[in-house]
Amino acid sequence: NAGVTQTPKFRVLKTGQSMTLLCAQDMNHEYMYWYRQDPGMGLRLIHYSVGEGTTAKGEVPDGYNVSRLKKQNFLLGLESAAPSQTSVYFCASSPRDPQETQYFGPGTRLLVL
Amino acid sequence: GQNIDQPTEMTATEGAIVQINCTYQTSGFNGLFWYQQHAGEAPTFLSYNVLDGLEEKGRFSSFLSRSKGYSYLLLKELQMKDSASYLCAVMDSNYQLIWGAGTKLIIKP
Repeated sequence: NAGVTQTPKFRVLKTGQSMTLLCAQDMNHEYMYWYRQDPGMGLRLIHYSVGEGTTAKGEVPDGYNVSRLKKQNFLLGLESAAPSQTSVYFCASSPRDPQETQYFGPGTRLLVL
Repeated sequence: GQNIDQPTEMTATEGAIVQINCTYQTSGFNGLFWYQQHAGEAPTFLSYNVLDGLEEKGRFSSFLSRSKGYSYLLLKELQMKDSASYLCAVMDSNYQLIWGAGTKLIIKP
């Protein structure tokens, strides 16, 4: 039982490049989330999903896209990376009830030059 | 707007007690969470309060006053491994978590 995993762990991009961050969970959770964490700020929700095939925008969705084709996977895409997207990205999942605990992956550290 | 306030940093001594405060102003309230985050690691769940009062779980306790928009996390018998950031988060009326910036707790021997 691996919980929530994220790949890659670390990545350096040049401005304008694209990439996809992968999140996988083996807990059969319905809800999945993508957050970014920046120094001096709280976690900010980028996009989330309440079930397979569904996605919704969070607080800071601009510049990101997501897909949830399979229940266990939640992908975060950056089509044209910008230095402002330098951050630590966390994926999380929770069971059917949104008031349940969220379980976090180890994070992806992204540096955009 | 929505706002979660908590102290940026606190220092305490091993074996002592520390209280980390959190005040919030959000659109609706569906519970308050505390998470622990060690440097370079993922946040992990500590506690959840939805009703007023104190919830105790081992060395950690969490208190909530909805009328005051206030919560605190109480850590007893501090250990060096408790050095971490403590994140307060409130679930708003849309069932989305609004996160504070976290309190970095430094434990000294």
